[in-house]
Amino acid sequence: EDQVTQSPEALRLQEGESSSLNCSYTVSGLRGLFWYRQDPGKGPEFLFTLYSAGEEKEKERLKATLTKKESFLHITAPKPEDSATYLCAVQAVGNNAGNMLTFGGGTRLMVKP
Amino acid sequence: NAGVMQNPRHLVRRRGQEARLRCSPMKGHSHVYWYRQLPEEGLKFMVYLQKENIIDESGMPKERFSAEFPKEGPSILRIQQVVRGDSAAYFCASSPQGVNYGYTFGSGTRLTVV
Repeated sequence: EDQVTQSPEALRLQEGESSSLNCSYTVSGLRGLFWYRQDPGKGPEFLFTLYSAGEEKEKERLKATLTKKESFLHITAPKPEDSATYLCAVQAVGNNAGNMLTFGGGTRLMVKP
Repeated sequence: NAGVMQNPRHLVRRRGQEARLRCSPMKGHSHVYWYRQLPEEGLKFMVYLQKENIIDESGMPKERFSAEFPKEGPSILRIQQVVRGDSAAYFCASSPQGVNYGYTFGSGTRLTVV
């Protein structure tokens, strides 16, 4: 069974204090790893897709990296508006499994000014 | 170009009533997915549909839950005889050709069973 574990569950940072969020996964065959941002009362908003170990993607203050067992979401010099829950999800190789995502529990990030 | 539209945003039902959740996918998207987010839990896959077809319902509870995506109109997630444990946020997502082409999520329907 595919599993995704995110850590820490919650993270408090001061504005400008860089840090990383972890996503560990177990999947029979990885087709893709996805990062989403979710604000309270809203649906998840797509950030990145990573497909192979060694791949990196960046967007503003966020950079996502991927290894064979985990992914990191690095946040550089965060601002209060980066406060949200960050979700990691995996897509497994397979027929029907290829069209569903298995999500982790999320990391709730709070950035204080 | 409107995003994925879900309605209602909030739904209150008494135990034993039926809940109907609607999802209109983004224009041009023919694939619809339903996920459930229970309090303090992650998003869990429920069902994947294309027009007039259920492709994968492996995440749907065996009883009381059903989903459809008719040729015309929105996708409907129906929960019959709701119980308190059904209280959750239900999210719909759509994509043009499967998840590789990117999911877009709606804002969800928050179901409260009293």
